[in-house]
This record gives sequence, C-alpha cells and structure tokens, in this order.
Amino acid sequence: QQQVKQSPQSLIVQKGGISIINCAYENTAFDYFPWYQQFPGKGPALLIAIRPDVSEKKEGRFTISFNKSAKQFSLHIMDSQPGDSATYFCAASRRSGGSNYKLTFGKGTLLTVNP
Amino acid sequence: KAGVTQTPRYLIKTRGQQVTLSCSPISGHRSVSWYQQTPGQGLQFLFEYFSETQRNKGNFPGRFSGRQFSNSRSEMNVSTLELGDSALYLCASSLMLAGGPVGELFFGEGSRLTVL
Repeated sequence: QQQVKQSPQSLIVQKGGISIINCAYENTAFDYFPWYQQFPGKGPALLIAIRPDVSEKKEGRFTISFNKSAKQFSLHIMDSQPGDSATYFCAASRRSGGSNYKLTFGKGTLLTVNP
Repeated sequence: KAGVTQTPRYLIKTRGQQVTLSCSPISGHRSVSWYQQTPGQGLQFLFEYFSETQRNKGNFPGRFSGRQFSNSRSEMNVSTLELGDSALYLCASSLMLAGGPVGELFFGEGSRLTVL
C-alpha cells in the first residue's frame, strides 16, 4: 500500500517558469510533511517542511501548499533555475505522540529546468 | 560540523554473501535511521535506532539487521544477499530531544551496493 502518492514522475520546465509537484497521502495520523531535494550522487536534503496546522509555507522561491481536507500537499518552485534540476521527494510522518519516527516517501519527481 | 558519513561508498558482492555498512552520525545526534533507495521502489524505511535500541522497523525480511553503538555510530547488515538487494543504502541522523519528536533528518551520501 503506497501511503504517499507523488506526481508527476518527471517534469520539464523552462528557466523562469513555475514547477509544481503534487502529493497525496492516506494516513490521517501524519503530522509532518517535508520535501527533500536530491542531486545525483548525493543523499536527500531537506528543502522545506510543513505541519497541518498551516495551509501554506514559503521559503524563498519554494512554497508548500497544504490541503488537510483533501489530504494533499504540493511544492511550488517559482522562477525555476537550471540549478534546481534534481529529484524531489515528498514525505510524511507522524512526529508526535508515539514512536513512529519513520518517513514515508513518495516515489520522486525528476525536475529538469532548461536554460 | 561534519555531516553524516557512510562507508563504504561503493561495493560489489555476489549472491549469498553478506555485507556490513557503517554510518557515523552528525556529532550530538543520537537517532540514526536507515533507508533503501531503488529506482523501482523509491526510498523505503529500514529501521531506526536511538540510544542503542531499535525503535522502529520497516517491512523488510530478517536478513536485514542493524545495531547502534554507544557513540551513536550505526551499522546495518544484510545476509544471504539477493540480486534485488542492489540499492543505495542511506543513513540519516537526527537530533532527538528527550521526550520530543524527531527533528530534521540529515542524510549521508549513501553506500551503493551492487549484488552480482
């Protein structure tokens, strides 16, 4: 059972455009939703994260939008740059109230930003 | 501050052999998690250790095991290797405050295992 579904699998955007990656989750106990960025040959690095008590979080060119009722969240990359070309993973976990510290990841989106 | 260090970075084994991978977390981090990354299945949780105790385990067969030492360094072992075990094995550490939720996960660059 895939608990976090991510789309699209791949995305090509022109420099300066907006990149949008979507994720949907099933487990309503999840209360932490991070996005990770991974470059070839590197481990994933935390990009931005959100809790379900807010609907949007912005850090620079990166924004997470969160819809609790729909159980969906998305990553928006404004003014996309060639240096943003990487694989992006959404994830979810239950951080509070128990010992379930694992992250459940989406399958990833390969983003290519053309110059 | 040094990041998460994983060794070896690359290794090749044959079916039936066993392998041990090592992870040194960021100084002060006491929680260490392991993930398997493959093109088909993506990133999958293996297990998480805190203060030498396994607190959570993913859905992997018993051939996959791990441990954590008193200095928070961790090892994972895969016995009787199968072709399907070929993957990037990622270690992540986290600053775990007493009684609090896990903090941000910092990943190492991984150990790429090829099973022939």
